Amino acid sequence: GQNIDQPTEMTATEGAIVQINCTYQTSGFNGLFWYQQHAGEAPTFLSYNVLDGLEEKGRFSSFLSRSKGYSYLLLKELQMKDSASYLCAVRVSGNTPLVFGKGTRLSVIA
Amino acid sequence: EAEVAQSPRYKITEKSQAVAFWCDPISGHATLYWYRQILGQGPELLVQFQDESVVDDSQLPKDRFSAERLKGVDSTLKIQPAELGDSAMYLCASSPALNTEAFFGQGTRLTVV
Repeated sequence: GQNIDQPTEMTATEGAIVQINCTYQTSGFNGLFWYQQHAGEAPTFLSYNVLDGLEEKGRFSSFLSRSKGYSYLLLKELQMKDSASYLCAVRVSGNTPLVFGKGTRLSVIA
Repeated sequence: EAEVAQSPRYKITEKSQAVAFWCDPISGHATLYWYRQILGQGPELLVQFQDESVVDDSQLPKDRFSAERLKGVDSTLKIQPAELGDSAMYLCASSPALNTEAFFGQGTRLTVV
């Protein structure tokens, strides 16, 4: 089976930086995705990594190491509206659907 | 901005009743997914369509669940009969091609009582 692990919960302070880690053991790899999901809402796409390295998009960055089966999502200058669940998902092969981790619930406090 | 449309947004049904959910993907998106998300968990795939064809329904409980996408556009997911354990958020997603990110609808929150 496919296994994707992320911490269940994290808490961080407004204005700070937080790193959410994701490790995966899958039968193949064709890309890693991060989604944000506010309570009761749909997941929204944040980032995509298929090659090793860092992808930066505004306050959000995502890193991938394929050899280590590891990714992280970095959120800078945290805002209260960043309180949400962050889902790590892997595409195992080119034509398969995304396999999701259980999500990390981030709470941003003042 | 184009969105994936789902209805209803909320549904309460009694166990053993039938229930159906509808999804209209973003125009032009050939790939459509139905996911189920239990509170506090990540989404789990139920079925994947490419146009009108089922690509993957290995995780769909076929004794009670069915899904169709007759004209390769909108899709319906049905549960009959519903069980208490079916209470969850049912998410529809679409993507323009197989190897791209998926765009999710708002979901249907089902409560079986």
